[in-house]
Amino acid sequence: DTAVSQTPKYLVTQMGNDKSIKCEQNLGHDTMYWYKQDSKKFLKIMFSYNNKELIINETVPNRFSPKSPDKAHLNLHINSLELGDSAVYFCASSQGWEQETQYFGPGTRLLVL
Amino acid sequence: QKEVEQNSGPLSVPEGAIASLNCTYSDRGSQSFFWYRQYSGKSPELIMSIYSNGDKEDGRFTAQLNKASQYVSLLIRDSQPSDSATYLCAVTTGNQFYFGTGTSLTVIP
Repeated sequence: DTAVSQTPKYLVTQMGNDKSIKCEQNLGHDTMYWYKQDSKKFLKIMFSYNNKELIINETVPNRFSPKSPDKAHLNLHINSLELGDSAVYFCASSQGWEQETQYFGPGTRLLVL
Repeated sequence: QKEVEQNSGPLSVPEGAIASLNCTYSDRGSQSFFWYRQYSGKSPELIMSIYSNGDKEDGRFTAQLNKASQYVSLLIRDSQPSDSATYLCAVTTGNQFYFGTGTSLTVIP
């Protein structure tokens, strides 16, 4: 059983397009996250939701919009894709906050041409 | 200054040796500290978490935390080629999570 899953695994698209990445966790966790890992492997948090409420919204372009329909899902929608959006996007979840271990999904490799 | 700093490496050690990975953080209010391992092309996975000063051991891994020096380290004893990966230090401060840029470790057979 996959604990944290993401779809799609790979995404190749043209500049200006709109795309979505889906994330689901079956661990019963309350908190979910989106991270971006760039080509230099720097992992940066983008958003965090706790019980469907947004609790972290780092400085990311407003072209990125998270949506949490329920505690088990946190989707990421990206409008007007740009070349600089090319990266690996990881979804993660944890039982609670702060001291809790985060479990990462397999990542979505986004390439904007 | 970055919130979490790590030596990017690469760090190379012979098989069987001790690998020492270091991490410093800037916020004295930081509360929780984690070490994640990331193999190439894979997602990060937790190795150790530590919350109070001192050492915490789990198998071949030992995490060390010194809040006065704002320093956390990971020791890997009896290093194996399968330990070759990037090791990410992560720190939580209030409701913020920060990852370091990672240290690349290669264990030479």
